[in-house]
This record gives sequence, structure tokens and C-alpha cells, in this order.
Amino acid sequence: AQSVTQLDSQVPVFEEAPVELRCNYSSSVSVYLFWYVQYPNQGLQLLLKYLSGSTLVKGINGFEAEFNKSQTSFHLRKPSVHISDTAEYFCAVSDYQTGANNLFFGTGTRLTVIP
Amino acid sequence: DAGVTQSPTHLIKTRGQQVTLRCSPKSGHDTVSWYQQALGQGPQFIFQYYEEEERQRGNFPDRFSGHQFPNYSSELNVNALLLGDSALYLCASSPLDSRGSALHFGNGTRLTVT
Repeated sequence: AQSVTQLDSQVPVFEEAPVELRCNYSSSVSVYLFWYVQYPNQGLQLLLKYLSGSTLVKGINGFEAEFNKSQTSFHLRKPSVHISDTAEYFCAVSDYQTGANNLFFGTGTRLTVIP
Repeated sequence: DAGVTQSPTHLIKTRGQQVTLRCSPKSGHDTVSWYQQALGQGPQFIFQYYEEEERQRGNFPDRFSGHQFPNYSSELNVNALLLGDSALYLCASSPLDSRGSALHFGNGTRLTVT
């Protein structure tokens, strides 16, 4: 069975400050890892994904994440946030057996960027 | 290139009624998955359709059923609605066996059950 834990439900941060959104997962098999962003009244948009290879993954809008197998983590980072980054962020995991269509999501982290 | 489109955007139903939600996948995608997102929660996988058949199913009761048409579009049906079925229902599409290709999500249908 898989699960995803997003440790912070809300993260306030000042504009142009760095931010880290934390994600830990559990799985008995090799996994794919994703970060999605959801703006109000919209669906989910993919920020980045880890499939294999380099553990540092770069995504859209200046975000990056690092896969740490020993700590079963996939934290999302951005060195300098903008007002437009205010949104809900979801970490998700799937495994090689079920493929990438059946995702297990965390409960989300609401990022609020303060002017 | 149109992405994933869902209709209607909002819907209000009464307990015990039945509802049908519709989804058109992104061009070139043949697999459709449905997710339920309750308020303040992450999306939960309901089921996935490919070649007009249900291929995978999450932990949802039989009141939730679906259909996929030859043009790959899909419907989600929920019978005997409960108050707890109130949620944002998200449709996502992808190529089959995408194994790492990310899902493309629609903007969802907001269902309110009163």
C-alpha cells in the first residue's frame, strides 16, 4: 500500500523569500513521484515529476524537488516566491505496477505568499 | 489543442438522486481516470477506463459507475446520492501505460448534494 504525508497544511511566506514544501511517502515498491499545483476553482497542473535517474528534478515556474530514497521524501523548493505562487500544492505517488494513472495524493499544502 | 474538458462545471442535487458527469480527454489520450476531491482533501482515485472497460478501481462503492465511449470520452455516474458525495470530481486523461507520463486534469465538476 502507498501513502503520502504532507507535513504542513499551510505555509505562509513573504514574497521573494525561499520556500520548501515537505512530502514523505511510503511504498513497498519503486515509485513515481509528482507535485501538482491547484489554483482556486481549477484542476491540477503538473509542476514536476520524478521517474528515475537524477534525484534533483526541475519543473515549471522555477520549482524543483529532490528525491531522497533513504528518507522517502520528495520535498518541493523554490528559491524566491512570487504572489502568483499562492495556491494549493499536492504531492502524489504511484508505483511501477499500477502505472501513473492511479495516483495517491497527499492532503495538500496551502502556500500563501505575503506581499 | 484542447485539454481535458468537463461538464457541467457546477451541479446541485438532492439526496437519493442520480447524477452523470461528463469528460472529454485531451487530444491523443485514450485513457480516462476519475478522482473525487472532498473539501480540504487531496484527490482520491475512483476508477480508470480504457477501451471502454474499467481497468482499475479505487475504494469506492458500486454506486459509482462509469462508461467510456469509442471516442474516448467518459461519464461518471453516481446513484443514490449521499451528502458525503459532495465534492469536486476531477477527470484526468493520459496515454495508456503511460508509466511516468503525468495525468492531465480537467477543471472539475463541483457537485453539491443537499
